[in-house]
Amino acid sequence: QKEVEQDPGPLSVPEGAIVSLNCTYSNSAFQYFMWYRQYSRKGPELLMYTYSSGNKEDGRFTAQVDKSSKYISLFIRDSQPSDSATYLCAMRDSGGSNYKLTFGKGTLLTVNP
Amino acid sequence: KAGVTQTPRYLIKTRGQQVTLSCSPISGHRSVSWYQQTPGQGLQFLFEYFSETQRNKGNFPGRFSGRQFSNSRSEMNVSTLELGDSALYLCASIRGTGRTEAFFGQGTRLTVV
Repeated sequence: QKEVEQDPGPLSVPEGAIVSLNCTYSNSAFQYFMWYRQYSRKGPELLMYTYSSGNKEDGRFTAQVDKSSKYISLFIRDSQPSDSATYLCAMRDSGGSNYKLTFGKGTLLTVNP
Repeated sequence: KAGVTQTPRYLIKTRGQQVTLSCSPISGHRSVSWYQQTPGQGLQFLFEYFSETQRNKGNFPGRFSGRQFSNSRSEMNVSTLELGDSALYLCASIRGTGRTEAFFGQGTRLTVV
């Protein structure tokens, strides 16, 4: 079983739709959870960074973490064509000297005008 | 504020050669991590350096090595290149004191022929 599972999609939605992206994980030591957006031929861009369980909102983006279910989500409201990209979840444990990130394989999202 | 700079952006090498990639982190950041991204495996952790010391290493052969200099700039080296080393190599920069968000560069795309 891979440590982090993410549906690769592709996911295609109309402009203005609410998008839900998800990851599950198996390592209960993970404490920090991130979402990155990666455009084609670019490096990953950090969208959301959360610690432990709960919700975090930033503009049109909401990140949710449910540690009891080992499940994280990213919601995008009022999706725009510029949101078309690959979305990667990432996580790491809380070890003081461990900055290693474990990634999902990414979900390819297309928002159609 | 300058971001993470990786050079070169593109490289084409022949099997058996070696290659050196460079990463300049965000000013003030002390930790640099390297990742390999391929379509089949996604992003995989190579190693992490903090204040010139390697703290973590991923599951890659010894042909992959790295180092960090006193100004936090980092290099990674791959010797005896194989076709399977063709990938996007990404560098992540982390401040490491209080803030542990990882910011990525645009990557170096290595093609081994």
